[in-house]
Amino acid sequence: ETGVTQSPTHLIKTRGQQVTLRCSSQSGHNTVSWYQQALGQGPQFIFQYYREEENGRGNFPPRFSGLQFPNYSSELNVNALELDDSALYLCASSLVPGGPRKTQYFGPGTRLLVL
Amino acid sequence: AQTVTQSQPEMSVQEAETVTLSCTYDTSESNYYLFWYKQPPSRQMILVIRQEAYKQQNATENRFSVNFQKAAKSFSLKISDSQLGDTAMYFCAFMKHARLANAGGTSYGKLTFGQGTILTVHP
Repeated sequence: ETGVTQSPTHLIKTRGQQVTLRCSSQSGHNTVSWYQQALGQGPQFIFQYYREEENGRGNFPPRFSGLQFPNYSSELNVNALELDDSALYLCASSLVPGGPRKTQYFGPGTRLLVL
Repeated sequence: AQTVTQSQPEMSVQEAETVTLSCTYDTSESNYYLFWYKQPPSRQMILVIRQEAYKQQNATENRFSVNFQKAAKSFSLKISDSQLGDTAMYFCAFMKHARLANAGGTSYGKLTFGQGTILTVHP
């Protein structure tokens, strides 16, 4: 166990709806990264939050947005859901965003199914 | 942009034997980190081993070791004395080095993953 938790574990939504996924980082970690993992694929970087600000973004549209709170927990919001958004969403926390202590520790993920 | 390639979609090994998983990457960076992560069927991604590119010595963690060939951009994982619990999807991942002080707007901490290798350990 890494100490990173995510909720909910599973979620079913319909196309066009909005969803919020949550992540609690490991104690002492101030950086949270979000990844999307399609079935049978490697995870793809969505964005990273460091001290409550977005610190980098992958090739995802603006309808993917996030927040980080003062306790370093984080939310991933997806608006106007599309069928292709069906995936496992992984959250990872790290001690710092850069430097030799940047190893990321992953949570168990949230499985999102869009119908 | 960095790319990571794992050319073995599936591998299998007998319990107690040794298996090597391959990974190659492409980057113009000189300072970076490489990782192997394991994702069992329960799906939680677990760090197996990491390697700093500036270190010539190959990393080792108990039964897991890497063969890091920087010039060839190759980073293979060797699992010795394979155990049933090693059955999982294994991902090779790349992260570029960045200084903490310069954090504005750059994707520090972004992991680029390969496609994964499914490893099955047979009794």
